[in-house]
Amino acid sequence: KAGVTQTPRYLIKTRGQQVTLSCSPISGHRSVSWYQQTPGQGLQFLFEYFSETQRNKGNFPGRFSGRQFSNSRSEMNVSTLELGDSALYLCASSLGLAGTDTQYFGPGTRLTVL
Amino acid sequence: DQQVKQNSPSLSVQEGRISILNCDYTNSMFDYFLWYKKYPAEGPTFLISISSIKDKNEDGRFTVFLNKSAKHLSLHIVPSQPGDSAVYFCAASYPGNQFYFGTGTSLTVIP
Repeated sequence: KAGVTQTPRYLIKTRGQQVTLSCSPISGHRSVSWYQQTPGQGLQFLFEYFSETQRNKGNFPGRFSGRQFSNSRSEMNVSTLELGDSALYLCASSLGLAGTDTQYFGPGTRLTVL
Repeated sequence: DQQVKQNSPSLSVQEGRISILNCDYTNSMFDYFLWYKKYPAEGPTFLISISSIKDKNEDGRFTVFLNKSAKHLSLHIVPSQPGDSAVYFCAASYPGNQFYFGTGTSLTVIP
């Protein structure tokens, strides 16, 4: 089976712009979670989608949003980018709801905000 | 609130010896735990899991131990190899909830 894929792998934006990141889960997986990793930090949970519904949300401002499509693919959007949004954004998929199944990660999207 | 903690930011071990990575948690509801290995600029790779009904799980060179009363888990790597040099994250959750990750321990295996 193909693993979790994320596009694009690298992205450079300027402050104030918006960005959309895409994640395709492992075939058959219905849950997609998004995380932000900044230097020296662990993985900060953004949100989880299961069957097109947001199930859990982390402590991030409303500029961060996401959605999931009927084929389980997910997108994450960040509006009005700030310098502090520069990070590695990771998505992970699992068969069932988060907390019940192992999550498998994609390679990440490296976002740089100038 | 840091519900999962990895108090050792780094660890160095000689090749062939045992590496022990530790993880503590505060939420007694956590019942599913994962360990990941991560190289720079890559996504974490799943290593091994354990549920709260067990106190040990083995997979090749990797063994995870869970001490529920102490709210502590550890990952043992035996024998350690230079290719094991990476950052290791533990994560914990319970059904319907997000996974909480530790801040990671950077393991260096010295040849």
